[in-house]
Amino acid sequence: QKEVEQNSGPLSVPEGAIASLNCTYSDRGSQSFFWYRQYSGKSPELIMSIYSNGDKEDGRFTAQLNKASQYVSLLIRDSQPSDSATYLCAVIRSGSARQLTFGSGTQLTVLP
Amino acid sequence: EAQVTQNPRYLITVTGKKLTVTCSQNMNHEYMSWYRQDPGLGLRQIYYSMNVEVTDKGDVPEGYKVSRKEKRNFPLILESPSPNQTSLYFCASSPRTGGPNEQFFGPGTRLTVL
Repeated sequence: QKEVEQNSGPLSVPEGAIASLNCTYSDRGSQSFFWYRQYSGKSPELIMSIYSNGDKEDGRFTAQLNKASQYVSLLIRDSQPSDSATYLCAVIRSGSARQLTFGSGTQLTVLP
Repeated sequence: EAQVTQNPRYLITVTGKKLTVTCSQNMNHEYMSWYRQDPGLGLRQIYYSMNVEVTDKGDVPEGYKVSRKEKRNFPLILESPSPNQTSLYFCASSPRTGGPNEQFFGPGTRLTVL
């Protein structure tokens, strides 16, 4: 079992719709969770961090964390073509507090 | 401008020829790290550094070396590159003392080993 799992996609949504990206992790003791966005040919950039159960909203982005289910998600409201990118879920594991473990990413395409 | 820089951006080399990829940050960050990114495997950590003279292995350290003599610089050294080290490499730094929270990534170095 991979430590951080994401559906690779591609995930396609129409412009204006809600895009839902999901991530599960295997280490129950993990405490810190991040979503990075990576445009094709570019480096990852941090868009959300979440540390507590529940929802965290930042503009059109909402991160959701459920530690009991070991599940973290990212919702993008009013999706725009400029949101088309690969979204990487990352976790700081309990046994490796100085390391960040990434999922393999979900490719999102927002269709005009 | 706050940034992480890497050089070179692109490199084609041959098996066994030692090379160094430089990484520098101007944000006074203590934590720095190297990752490689391969299709289907995502980003995997090679080495990280908590501060000057403090480095540790990540998940895929074999075939790589690092050093941290100055806070701003964290070079990645391949003593004897092999074709399986062909990859896209990213350097990153973090403002948080003690860990990789909220990392800033460099632009990447695409390495091809023939």
